[in-house]
Amino acid sequence: EPEVTQTPSHQVTQMGQEVILRCVPISNHLYFYWYRQILGQKVEFLVSFYNNEISEKSEIFDDQFSVERPDGSNFTLKIRSTKLEDSAMYFCASRRDSGTYGYTFGSGTRLTVV
Amino acid sequence: AQKVTQAQTEISVVEKEDVTLDCVYETRDTTYYLFWYKQPPSGELVFLIRRNSFDEQNEISGRYSWNFQKSTSSFNFTITASQVVDSAVYFCAQYLIQGAQKLVFGQGTRLTINP
Repeated sequence: EPEVTQTPSHQVTQMGQEVILRCVPISNHLYFYWYRQILGQKVEFLVSFYNNEISEKSEIFDDQFSVERPDGSNFTLKIRSTKLEDSAMYFCASRRDSGTYGYTFGSGTRLTVV
Repeated sequence: AQKVTQAQTEISVVEKEDVTLDCVYETRDTTYYLFWYKQPPSGELVFLIRRNSFDEQNEISGRYSWNFQKSTSSFNFTITASQVVDSAVYFCAQYLIQGAQKLVFGQGTRLTINP
């Protein structure tokens, strides 16, 4: 069964550093998402991406965050200057088309900011 | 506004007991989907079930069953004859057809099955 692949599975970074989280969605999927889960809390929507642009973003997704689909296969989330409160599990998800209701999630990247 | 409430923060039962996880949702939309996900200690989100707003039939899959009632805006999940491997955090989520079609999750219920 096709999978959404996220790398790395765990990343430790120093506060103030830039970090890029990488995702390879399922190849024929058109809609892409990032979600965040702070330890012990619920999963929260960050951003959705379709047709090479952001279609919706949450209040969490401020100017420190950006997304990109640089080469037609990868989908990246960049955090420009990490803060301690950015420590969380980040999930990438993809969806095939507008008629598909539900996602395939990746296994997540645990980001630890020290 | 979309909102999903899982009032039970933690549940602990002894193996082989039945357990029900509650989920209540709020939306003004008439078309939506409801989901349950399992999050084991390893952290990934495991899809369990998807239900659309037009299908109120209850569903059973092995030891798992789901009770969807639009009249009470609830989508409860029951595990029958629980096992230690069922220990995890369980999330209920709602997905609206309109807009960005994002998932809105509840706070999750941490289920512990004791041997």
